[in-house]
Parts: sequence; structure tokens; C-alpha cells
Amino acid sequence: GQNIDQPTEMTATEGAIVQINCTYQTSGFNGLFWYQQHAGEAPTFLSYNVLDGLEEKGRFSSFLSRSKGYSYLLLKELQMKDSASYLCAVRDNQGGKLIFGQGTELSVKP
Amino acid sequence: KAGVTQTPRYLIKTRGQQVTLSCSPISGHRSVSWYQQTPGQGLQFLFEYFSETQRNKGNFPGRFSGRQFSNSRSEMNVSTLELGDSALYLCASSLQTGGTTDTQYFGPGTRLTVL
Repeated sequence: GQNIDQPTEMTATEGAIVQINCTYQTSGFNGLFWYQQHAGEAPTFLSYNVLDGLEEKGRFSSFLSRSKGYSYLLLKELQMKDSASYLCAVRDNQGGKLIFGQGTELSVKP
Repeated sequence: KAGVTQTPRYLIKTRGQQVTLSCSPISGHRSVSWYQQTPGQGLQFLFEYFSETQRNKGNFPGRFSGRQFSNSRSEMNVSTLELGDSALYLCASSLQTGGTTDTQYFGPGTRLTVL
């Protein structure tokens, strides 16, 4: 079956660093995506990993280990506007289908 | 470049009715995927269209259908609406050049409420 697990909720302090974990078990793998979704808005693309290792993009970094079926999203220098849901998604190897986790609701407190 | 657009943004229907939602992808994007988002189930894949052909399908009943036009615009239709169809319907487009870096970009969604 297809399964993607993320923590439901996390809380962090403004200026701190937070790591959001994602584990997956899918029949195929053709890349892992992280999206950010603010309440009432569409998901926006944050990062993409297809090979093992770390991808860095400003305050956001994403890591992938294909052998462990594991990824994390690292957010540095947290800002209040980072309060949102973070979605981990795996692209099935059959074309453009994305399988999403339930999302991690991050609350950033002053 | 304009983003993905979806119409209408909000819709209220009653049980048994049918509904058609529209999606215009980013210019040059050839693939359109549809997702249903609910608080309980999260984001679930409905189907993907590429070059006017359905390429992938999720685990939804036959009441959910879609199509894509030659200009890559897509519509999805839900017939015989049920209360459980109340959700945010999101459309996403991508270039689909065949490369592994194809990223899906989402539209603002259509909020469907079934009474």
C-alpha cells in the first residue's frame, strides 16, 4: 500500500530551528516534494528531492534518504509567517500522481 | 506568467445535483492533476490529464470524471452529489517534459459545499 506519515502538529519559537519529519512507504518513487499551505490558501511548492542528500534553499532545507524511506524539512530563523501546514508528497512512478501525507500544522510562537 | 486559475472559487449545491469545475493551467504546462482536500482525509489524488488523455486515476467512484481540452484547460465533473463530496478541489499543473524535476503548481481551489 501507499503510506506517508508526518507528525500532526508542532510548535516552535520565533527565531528557532524546526525539523519536520516524513516517512514513506510507496510502491514507486520518483521524487519527494514539500509544500507549504496557509489556511484557506493553495499549497505552494517549497522543495524537491529525488537523490539522497540535502537540498538547501534559503531558510529552508530538505533531506532525503531513499533507503530509509525518510525525509525531513528544516526551517531556520523561524518567522511568524511560517505558521502553516507543511505537506510531504511522494511522486508515484506512474506519471504525475502525487501521494500526500496528512500534513504537519506548525505554530510559531513569539 | 499567470498562475493556475480555477473557477468558480465557491459553490453551493444540494444532494443529487451535479457540478462542473474548471481549471486553466500555467501557460505551456501540459499536465493537469486534480485533488480533493478534506480535513479528515487530507489531499487525495483524483486524476491526471496529459494531452487530452487521462493518464492516472485515483480511487474515487465513477461519479467523478474529468476531461482536458486541446489548450490544456481541464474540467472535472461530479454527478449525483453526496454530502461527503463537500471539500476543497485543487487543480495543479506541470510541464511534464518527462524529467524528474517536474513540479506541480496548485491553483487556489474551488470550495464545494453540498447541502
